Amino acid sequence: NAGVTQTPKFQVLKTGQSMTLQCAQDMNHEYMSWYRQDPGMGLRLIHYSVGAGITDQGEVPNGYNVSRSTTEDFPLRLLSAAPSQTSVYFCASRTRDYSYEQYFGPGTRLTVT
Amino acid sequence: GENVEQHPSTLSVQEGDSAVIKCTYSDSASNYFPWYKQELGKRPQLIIDIRSNVGEKKDQRIAVTLNKTAKHFSLHITETQPEDSAVYFCAASSWGGSQGNLIFGKGTKLSVKP
Repeated sequence: NAGVTQTPKFQVLKTGQSMTLQCAQDMNHEYMSWYRQDPGMGLRLIHYSVGAGITDQGEVPNGYNVSRSTTEDFPLRLLSAAPSQTSVYFCASRTRDYSYEQYFGPGTRLTVT
Repeated sequence: GENVEQHPSTLSVQEGDSAVIKCTYSDSASNYFPWYKQELGKRPQLIIDIRSNVGEKKDQRIAVTLNKTAKHFSLHITETQPEDSAVYFCAASSWGGSQGNLIFGKGTKLSVKP
């Protein structure tokens, strides 16, 4: 199993550009989520999904869109990048049972200039 | 919603000493409390977790304690080693409206000096 994979590893965007961060998992996990990590701020939840076709907002959803058309994939879209979105983005997945381990992807480091 | 506070933000210990990191949570419905370790440039990885029906759990040099009445839980690392140096995050979750979303503390950077 590859686990949770993310692409790209690094990305530089100009203000106003849009892009999609890719996330995939091969563990047949129903639950997937996106976090951003900023220095001194911990991991903050952006969006999550409990299954294909079902998504919802987390703590910091503004400026981001998600969709879940398959169990395996959960892309995160930045509609119009802003410098405040410079961060490290982690995708994570787990089974529907919330009291079991949540697995993280390797992260995408995004810089918006 | 849930709010998790974590202290201290940085912790420096000598190799062989013990380290303790404390977290408090606000939502009394929370009943799952994992701890993640993140090495520099790597992804967070689960090191230990505890559920609300248990007061303490140990795994070799690592232990976690939970006080539901006071709404706090702690990570204890004994006989620290340089490879324990990392950022540690606590988290809390519950079912209900949050669908079991993990809410994280802001992290503790642990440095173990040889």
